[in-house]
Amino acid sequence: GAVVSQHPSRVICKSGTSVKIECRSLDFQATTMFWYRQFPKQSLMLMATSNEGSKATYEQGVEKDKFLINHASLTLSTLTVTSAHPEDSSFYICSARDMADYGYTFGSGTRLTVV
Amino acid sequence: QKEVEQNSGPLSVPEGAIASLNCTYSDRGSQSFFWYRQYSGKSPELIMSIYSNGDKEDGRFTAQLNKASQYVSLLIRDSQPSDSATYLCAQGGQNFVFGPGTRLSVLP
Repeated sequence: GAVVSQHPSRVICKSGTSVKIECRSLDFQATTMFWYRQFPKQSLMLMATSNEGSKATYEQGVEKDKFLINHASLTLSTLTVTSAHPEDSSFYICSARDMADYGYTFGSGTRLTVV
Repeated sequence: QKEVEQNSGPLSVPEGAIASLNCTYSDRGSQSFFWYRQYSGKSPELIMSIYSNGDKEDGRFTAQLNKASQYVSLLIRDSQPSDSATYLCAQGGQNFVFGPGTRLSVLP
């Protein structure tokens, strides 16, 4: 089945710094990847849709200048949280779809803590 | 706008019982539906997909789809404490729409 690798799994950073999260499709090509955020005991919230070779599509209320998404190849999308603040502390998860399988596969998630 | 609704729970069942999780959706045009399981602190994992009306069985799991009534359900037979998790229903298409999830607690 499709495998999506996400790195790092856990990161602690200081306020004001930037953090980059990588999402890779290991055994398939993904023209589209999705980035979600999940706060404790809450449901998944779609942040943005990452499109290979073009600009990402952001959901309403998500600041595109704060959450930079780059999808430079068919197997890699990155999310950079810029000028991080404690309120950005959350669980960030990417997902992609292998068209053959049709279902979405999630990365293992990144627990971001901003101190 | 597509919407997927689930009872947030928690749904508590004793070990060995059948757990029944339900989901309703608004988009009649959807052709595919998925159930994901998410353990606390982990990312969701796909456990079932269903595309046709009726039942689809996979081990202890049975997904049921009724397009006329716009609901999809997941039955877990012989529930185990390890099944305790949040179960997310998703409506397929170009962009998935996830329900808020139902928290299941299987009591030993």
